[in-house]
Amino acid sequence: AQSVTQLDSHVSVSEGTPVLLRCNYSSSYSPSLFWYVQHPNKGLQLLLKYTSAATLVKGINGFEAEFKKSETSFHLTKPSAHMSDAAEYFCVSYQAGTALIFGKGTTLSVSS
Amino acid sequence: DTGVSQDPRHKITKRGQNVTFRCDPISEHNRLYWYRQTLGQGPEFLTYFQNEAQLEKSRLLSDRFSAERPKGSFSTLEIQRTEQGDSAMYLCASSLQINTEAFFGQGTRLTVV
Repeated sequence: AQSVTQLDSHVSVSEGTPVLLRCNYSSSYSPSLFWYVQHPNKGLQLLLKYTSAATLVKGINGFEAEFKKSETSFHLTKPSAHMSDAAEYFCVSYQAGTALIFGKGTTLSVSS
Repeated sequence: DTGVSQDPRHKITKRGQNVTFRCDPISEHNRLYWYRQTLGQGPEFLTYFQNEAQLEKSRLLSDRFSAERPKGSFSTLEIQRTEQGDSAMYLCASSLQINTEAFFGQGTRLTVV
């Protein structure tokens, strides 16, 4: 069975510093992987996706993630945090024949 | 294309009452999902459809919950005899085909009093 583990429930950074949100997946096969963002009282928005093409995936708002099969990881990074990045981030796994499986989420706080 | 639409956005109901939510997916999306999200938690899978066929149901989906997608377009989620523990945000999403990203609606927030 597939599963997703987000290693940090809360990450705090200062504006202008790098962001790292960690995600490990467990799957019998190579899954499709996504990162979604949820701002307060807003819907879930797709940040980026990995679907077995390039292992380094670029998304919106300067975010990117690298698929590492040997480490079963799909960590989300951004070189320089902005105040507007403060939100809840979800790592999501998708394997053919099943539904999307969400991690528990990581709350990103950005201080000035 | 206006995205995934959910109705109503908010619902307050008394314990024991039945409620029904509607989801209109992005047109031509053949996959439709229902999720439930409680405060501070990630979305939990409830059920999904491929066209009109309901392919999988979570164990979270008790007998009081039923979902339909009669013509492979919009879907409804009904909760019978609501309980306070049913209070949550109910999210609908759709995707074009397997292995592609899902687009989420704004959700229906249910409060059972």
